[in-house]
This record gives sequence, structure tokens and C-alpha cells, in this order.
Amino acid sequence: DLQMTQSPSSLSASVGDRIAITCRASQNINSCLNWYQHMPGKAPKVLIYAASTLQSGIPSRFNGSGSGTDFILTIRNLQPEDFATYYCQQTCNLPWTFGQGTKVEMK
Amino acid sequence: EVQLVESGGGLVQPGGSLRLSCAASGFTFSNYWMSWVRQAPGKGLEWVANIKPDESDKFYVDSVKGRFTISRDNAKNSLYLQMNSLRAEDTALYYCARVDYRNRWYQSYWGQGILVTVSS
Repeated sequence: DLQMTQSPSSLSASVGDRIAITCRASQNINSCLNWYQHMPGKAPKVLIYAASTLQSGIPSRFNGSGSGTDFILTIRNLQPEDFATYYCQQTCNLPWTFGQGTKVEMK
Repeated sequence: EVQLVESGGGLVQPGGSLRLSCAASGFTFSNYWMSWVRQAPGKGLEWVANIKPDESDKFYVDSVKGRFTISRDNAKNSLYLQMNSLRAEDTALYYCARVDYRNRWYQSYWGQGILVTVSS
């Protein structure tokens, strides 16, 4: 199975900060990479699909980049509602696989 | 507004069975692939299964093959997951999700999840 590795596993940040989360695939997945936000007790929400396309309704402070094996989710001007866990996911090959998650906590 | 509402979870003994349902509304259900995804306690997300709109294709993660069956009823706008021979490691919050394709596949809408606990 294709392995997805996120880093860091957790990070502490403040409102207004710019943060970056990386995701590395164990083989080339072109742009078959999605980013999701998940808060406890809530439905996961897609932020970015196809590596860099912002889902409708998602604020422009979220940005996705990368191709091949290395991808980055950047959140600028972090807002209180952004403290959550973020997952990358590849949908190039079955089984679809997620990274282990990055928990963004308030400093 | 797209809504996905899971039901049918609960406590079941190892080796037992459970059938999850997902009621869909706010979109033309019969046009979309659908997924089940789960999250074990303290763990990350794990894709479980996908089903094509006409049920002609179904895909599963290896750990549930032969035990779980994904199905749908387009007339009832409903998705199902029949889970047999349940194990402790199947304990998780189970989400149904709509699958979209715009150059790449992604899960565009998710339900709130339903808890399945496998324990004696």
C-alpha cells in the first residue's frame, strides 16, 4: 500500500501565525492529494483537492502545493477556528490512504 | 444542502454483525460514488470501502475484505455497510462520505459519524 507520512505530528501556534504541514508519499502520486480538516465530534471537511485546488467555501488563507511525492498545506493568518487536526490523503491508488494527521494546537 | 446521516451503530460482541446505514439528502445520490471511512479511538482516518453509483464496482481495504459489504439503495438515497465477523480492531467511528471527481478523486461531504464498539 502507498504510505503517506505527515510532519510534524503536532505543532503549537498562535492566532495570526503562518504554519506549514508537509506530506510525503512513498511513491509518485502526481497531484492525487487531498487535505482535510477534522475537529473532534465533527464531520471531516475537505480543504484542498488535487494538491492545490481550494474547495468551494474554504477561505483563501488555506493553500496547497506540491506534486509527485512532496506536498505542503500552508495556513496563513491562523484563526481560532483553524485549531484542528489535518490529514493528507492520496486517491491515486487503492487502497486510498491517509497520513497519520497533524494536530494544530494553540500556543 | 448536502446532508449525510449515519445510523445503526452500537455495542456488539466479537464475531457478531452490525449493519450501518447512511441517509443522503440535498444531492442526486444516484450520480455519485460513495465511501465509508473509519477512525479508531485515538487513531487517524482509514478508508474502508467505495461503491460505484450503479453498484457495479466495489472496493475494500484488505482488513475488511470478506467480512464487510458495502451496498446502496438509490431509490431510498441510502448507503449501507454490512459488517460481519466483527473484531475488537473494528471498533471505530464510521463515517459515510460522498466522492467527487474533478481531475482527481476526493471525499467532498462527510457525515458526523456513528460509533461501533466491538467488545465482550
